[in-house]
Amino acid sequence: QLQLQESGPGLVKPSETLSLTCTVSGGSVTSNLYFWGWIRQPPGKGLEWIGIFSYGGSTYHNPSLNSRVTISVDTSKNQFSLRLTSVTAADMAFYYCARTAGLSTWSLDSWGQGTLVTVSP
Amino acid sequence: QLVLTQSPSASASLGASVKLTCTLTTGHSSYAIAWHQQQPEKGPRYLMKLDSDGSHSKGDGIPDRFSGSSSGAERYLTISSLQSEDEADYYCQTWDTGIVLFGGGTKLTVL
Repeated sequence: QLQLQESGPGLVKPSETLSLTCTVSGGSVTSNLYFWGWIRQPPGKGLEWIGIFSYGGSTYHNPSLNSRVTISVDTSKNQFSLRLTSVTAADMAFYYCARTAGLSTWSLDSWGQGTLVTVSP
Repeated sequence: QLVLTQSPSASASLGASVKLTCTLTTGHSSYAIAWHQQQPEKGPRYLMKLDSDGSHSKGDGIPDRFSGSSSGAERYLTISSLQSEDEADYYCQTWDTGIVLFGGGTKLTVL
């Protein structure tokens, strides 16, 4: 059973960098059969896609966040990470990691439980 | 430009059925979508992938009360025998090369 778990600081100061990690169990981030990614949700609002990657393949980012987003992978820990630079209050949200159903089918069929990141001085 | 449109809210009575709609933009009527459920104070849960021909594949443990169908650019999620725990936000999601998109979500109230 695939499980994803987000972790990282719950509080980030404005203009600093948000860093989160997704730990994967029951599956491998090095599988080239899926994309892995990040989605966020400001409190009380809808879902926003941040970016996805496939190990050894392509990485895609939401154009609205493109220049501030970096997604990386740590194969030794079976984790992947999100870095979002120059955060503002607008980046305060629940952050979720997820996996797609396949390389060409990007329905997000597994989700982490999410972690809230607050942006405040 | 690919966009998903959902009504902000819907309501139905306990034990009844409800049909939620997600509409793709013109020119994208062949696209598959996914439906996700988000209960209060919880993360999203994958319900199903729904193709343009109405065929759908549900996630693990999703009850038979949840079904999907399609007509043109519209994608539907039908929930029958509504239960109190079905009160939730429902999001549709689609994708194209290099992009993932969500609809704005429908808040379902079970009366």
